[in-house]
Amino acid sequence: AQSVTQLGSHVSVSEGALVLLRCNYSSSVPPYLFWYVQYPNQGLQLLLKYTSAATLVKGINDFEAEFKKSETSFHLTKPSAHMSDAAEYFCAVRDPYSGAGSYQLTFGKGTKLSVIP
Amino acid sequence: SAVISQKPSRDICQRGTSLTIQCQVDSQVTMMFWYRQQPGQSLTLIATANQGSEATYESGFVIDKFPISRPNLTFSTLTVSNMSPEDSSIYLCSGTQGSHGYTFGSGTRLTVV
Repeated sequence: AQSVTQLGSHVSVSEGALVLLRCNYSSSVPPYLFWYVQYPNQGLQLLLKYTSAATLVKGINDFEAEFKKSETSFHLTKPSAHMSDAAEYFCAVRDPYSGAGSYQLTFGKGTKLSVIP
Repeated sequence: SAVISQKPSRDICQRGTSLTIQCQVDSQVTMMFWYRQQPGQSLTLIATANQGSEATYESGFVIDKFPISRPNLTFSTLTVSNMSPEDSSIYLCSGTQGSHGYTFGSGTRLTVV
């Protein structure tokens, strides 16, 4: 079964500093990987996804993530944090070879990002 | 990508009652999913809803407690039955057309008193 581990339930960075949110997956084959952001009282918004194409994936709002098979990781980064980046971030995984009826995503526990002015 | 309208956005309900949550998609999606997000927690899959067949429930969730309907490819409902305070949570629906694109509703924040 797929699983996702997000290291750090809470990360604080200063405005303008690098954002690094960690995600490691457990899978026998390279999965599809996703990063979602959830602002208070809202649903999930897709930041970016890896679907076995380029290993460096660029997403919205200057976020990017690099798929590293050797490390089974898909860490999310942003060069310079903005106050508006404060939110909860979820890493999710899906088996790319799942048959019909098995397209569900498995989510990590989430990382709450705080941005300090 | 598809847009999902979910309602109600929030509700406060008495214990022992039931609440039906609706999700309307602006285009056809192959599969829809219902998740529960307890306070400060991640998303836990309740069930997968496919048109024309019974929903598939994950371990720990049963149809009598969380009946689901999927009458067509653009609509689904989740009912939380015989509610107790432990059911207080955010419920989210999601849809996919079967590749790797997923859309989420904005969630229903349920409080049971």
